[in-house]
Amino acid sequence: AQSVAQPEDQVNVAEGNPLTVKCTYSVSGNPYLFWYVQYPNRGLQFLLKYITGDNLVKGSYGFEAEFNKSQTSFHLKKPSALVSDSALYFCAVRARNSGNTPLVFGKGTRLSVIA
Amino acid sequence: DVKVTQSSRYLVKRTGEKVFLECVQDMDHENMFWYRQDPGLGLRLIYFSYDVKMKEKGDIPEGYSVSREKKERFSLILESASTNQTSMYLCASNGPIKATNEKLFFGSGTQLSVL
Repeated sequence: AQSVAQPEDQVNVAEGNPLTVKCTYSVSGNPYLFWYVQYPNRGLQFLLKYITGDNLVKGSYGFEAEFNKSQTSFHLKKPSALVSDSALYFCAVRARNSGNTPLVFGKGTRLSVIA
Repeated sequence: DVKVTQSSRYLVKRTGEKVFLECVQDMDHENMFWYRQDPGLGLRLIYFSYDVKMKEKGDIPEGYSVSREKKERFSLILESASTNQTSMYLCASNGPIKATNEKLFFGSGTQLSVL
């Protein structure tokens, strides 16, 4: 079975400070990993993905995420947070060898960036 | 840009009513998905479809059915709406599952209230 854990319901950070949103996963074999963001009253938008290769993945709006196989983690990071980054963030996973199975999403982490 | 359009942004229905939620995508995507989003529970997969007239149960199919008569349209049906189906419903689509094509495109969502 595939699963994703986002251990923090809420993350608060001051504008200009670095931010981290945590994600750990469980799959059989190697994973495909994703981050999606949901701004208020909007649908989810793709942010970045890890498929293979470099463990540090860069995505939209200055976000990046680091794949750590030994810790089964894929934490989302940004060096300097903006108030406009305040949103709901979802991590998702699919096993690379799982054929056509859909993504499994975490429960989401609400990020609040305070001016 | 890919567009996934959900017919209603807000919907209010009464207990026992039959409810249709419509989703249309304009990118000739094979795969379409229905999720519901609830606070603290994240995104949960209701049903998905990999082709016309095909459907697969997700994690929480009870009380729901789907219809995919045309490739671009995927309908979610609540046969007899109940108050515990009050939720945000999100439709998503993507192309054939392969490493370079994993990105999901989401609609803006339908907030359904069942009274």
